[in-house]
Amino acid sequence: DAGVTQSPTHLIKTRGQQVTLRCSPKSGHDTVSWYQQALGQGPQFIFQYYEEEERQRGNFPDRFSGHQFPNYSSELNVNALLLGDSALYLCASSDDSGPNTGELFFGEGSRLTVL
Amino acid sequence: GESVGLHLPTLSVQEGDNSIINCAYSNSASDYFIWYKQESGKGPQFIIDIRSNMDKRQGQRVTVLLNKTVKHLSLQIAATQPGDSAVYFCAEEFTGGGNKLTFGTGTQLKVEL
Repeated sequence: DAGVTQSPTHLIKTRGQQVTLRCSPKSGHDTVSWYQQALGQGPQFIFQYYEEEERQRGNFPDRFSGHQFPNYSSELNVNALLLGDSALYLCASSDDSGPNTGELFFGEGSRLTVL
Repeated sequence: GESVGLHLPTLSVQEGDNSIINCAYSNSASDYFIWYKQESGKGPQFIIDIRSNMDKRQGQRVTVLLNKTVKHLSLQIAATQPGDSAVYFCAEEFTGGGNKLTFGTGTQLKVEL
C-alpha cells in the first residue's frame, strides 16, 4: 500500500516563474492538505482540498492555488515565484472521518529553490 | 538527507534515558493537539494526539501531557533510542476553525550512544 507520493522531489526555478507540484494521497484517503516548510521551521498550512473543492485556506496569497482531481490526487501551483517561496512543500492526506484533522500522512515533500 | 533542524532548540539525551520535549501553544481556543516526528529528508510522522478534555495520554513508549491552564504540551519518550533522533513538532487545532493544524517551531532531539 503506497503512502503519500509527491513529485518532483527537487526543483529549481527563477523569480517570476510558475511551478506545479503534484501529490497522490494514501490509498483510501479523500482529503489532501498542503503545507510549506521553510528551513528550520515548522510546516505552515496552505490549504486543504476535499471533494475537489478548497475547504480551508491558510494565510497565503492568491499566487498559491490548487486543484484536486476525481481520483483525489492534487496539485499545488505557485505563480510569480519569489525568493521567499523557497521551501519544502509537503502534501498530507487524511480521511474525512472525524471533526478534527486526525492522523495526517505526509509525503516526503518537494524541495523548491527559487533563484 | 537534508536537515530540517537548523538553529532549532536542541535536546541531547543518552541512549536509554527518558526524554521530555516541551511545547507552548498559542491559541487558547485550540482543543486538539498532535505530536509529529520528522527525520532528516522525510515528511512529518504522526506520533500521538490528545484532545483538550484529557490531560494525559499514553502510547507505546510515549506519553503526552496537556496543561491547558498554561497552554503547555509535553512529549515524554521512555528509554530513548538512537532511532528517536529527529525533529519533534507539536501542532494545535481549533475544531471550530476547520481542519488546519498550526505547527510549532520544533525541537531537535539528539540521542547520544
